[in-house]
Amino acid sequence: LAKTTQPISMDSYEGQEVNITCSHNNIATNDYITWYQQFPSQGPRFIIQGYKTKVTNEVASLFIPADRKSSTLSLPRVSLSDTAVYYCLVGDRVKAAGNKLTFGGGTRVLVKP
Amino acid sequence: DVKVTQSSRYLVKRTGEKVFLECVQDMDHENMFWYRQDPGLGLRLIYFSYDVKMKEKGDIPEGYSVSREKKERFSLILESASTNQTSMYLCASSPTLAVHGEQFFGPGTRLTVL
Repeated sequence: LAKTTQPISMDSYEGQEVNITCSHNNIATNDYITWYQQFPSQGPRFIIQGYKTKVTNEVASLFIPADRKSSTLSLPRVSLSDTAVYYCLVGDRVKAAGNKLTFGGGTRVLVKP
Repeated sequence: DVKVTQSSRYLVKRTGEKVFLECVQDMDHENMFWYRQDPGLGLRLIYFSYDVKMKEKGDIPEGYSVSREKKERFSLILESASTNQTSMYLCASSPTLAVHGEQFFGPGTRLTVL
């Protein structure tokens, strides 16, 4: 599993766009990038995953540059309910990673009114 | 609606007790996972199972064991609970062992060992 680095926390305001960048310099050829969201007292929830360029769904967009050494999760027009911790995960298959699967510390996003 | 349920939201046990944490999924997934979540350390994989009766150690298996007798149920066992096992325990299931495959998480069990 590639080592990832994310900001510890970010503040934003309702209606703004939030961009969270995850660095993964040692990403391998077969690795994908996945993002999860976790609200307090709940388990994480899958948001989006991608391999290269741009992926968009109803919740977020994921931008991956050509070198794939970083990725940016973009949350458009956030609301108070988007306050959560966001985790970036980079890898291929659990067994290929030596059975290691750690969600790092994540980025705590606080959306203010 | 897909669902992963865990037997308890909160549990308080004493040092040395044997503790069972149960997880049930209704999605017919082959793969199930147990994590613990601690402040500053994120979620760390304890064990996972890719089929009935099949299990593999994850990042931090020491002090834990697991059981998967039925496809829908995956149990985490603390043979002799210790205070350093006080944590949030999260169960997940997935149709794939791909890291990028979607995992469906339960609500978690907050275990306190006194």
